[in-house]
Amino acid sequence: AAGVIQSPRHLIKEKRETATLKCYPIPRHDTVYWYQQGPGQDPQFLISFYEKMQSDKGSIPDRFSAQQFSDYHSELNMSSLELGDSALYFCASSPRDRGYYGYTFGSGTRLTVV
Amino acid sequence: QKEVEQNSGPLSVPEGAIASLNCTYSDRGSQSFFWYRQYSGKSPELIMSIYSNGDKEDGRFTAQLNKASQYVSLLIRDSQPSDSATYLCAVIGGFKTIFGAGTRLFVKA
Repeated sequence: AAGVIQSPRHLIKEKRETATLKCYPIPRHDTVYWYQQGPGQDPQFLISFYEKMQSDKGSIPDRFSAQQFSDYHSELNMSSLELGDSALYFCASSPRDRGYYGYTFGSGTRLTVV
Repeated sequence: QKEVEQNSGPLSVPEGAIASLNCTYSDRGSQSFFWYRQYSGKSPELIMSIYSNGDKEDGRFTAQLNKASQYVSLLIRDSQPSDSATYLCAVIGGFKTIFGAGTRLFVKA
């Protein structure tokens, strides 16, 4: 069965650089969620999209932006990277009406800022 | 106070024993509750969901929900070394899922 695809799997950037993370949801899933998980931390909700519109916003820094495209894939753009942005970034998807039945997570992108 | 609280552990149990993981939440209006398992460096994997008071069993896993006490638990029977992971409690508030910090479980062979 198709899963949530994230790319790249690993990314190394220098401080003040820009990074773009991509997420391809499960087919027919129209809702995408982004989470950030620091070392030893629980996943922190960043932002979600439903039908290409932002549906909810969490602790996403102003330096980050995201969007969902017509094919439902989503991109998280991160600018002016800081050392503290080093984390695992997970994308999850669900059909909107089944969001109450849990998410399917992608394998994550490990971002390292040096 | 965090919205979803778990004992961070680690919780260590011998192989074959019952592991009991607990979680409390603050939003009394929460309707959906989940347990995710996360191996180190991997993404969370949904293992149980529960929506009404009482117990829900799936194989070796039993989820228990008490909305009056705002408490949800996960029991793992006949624990195996492969169950060693971090278990995240998650609660839906609005349209987003709030995660607890997770409980690390070690099952000793």
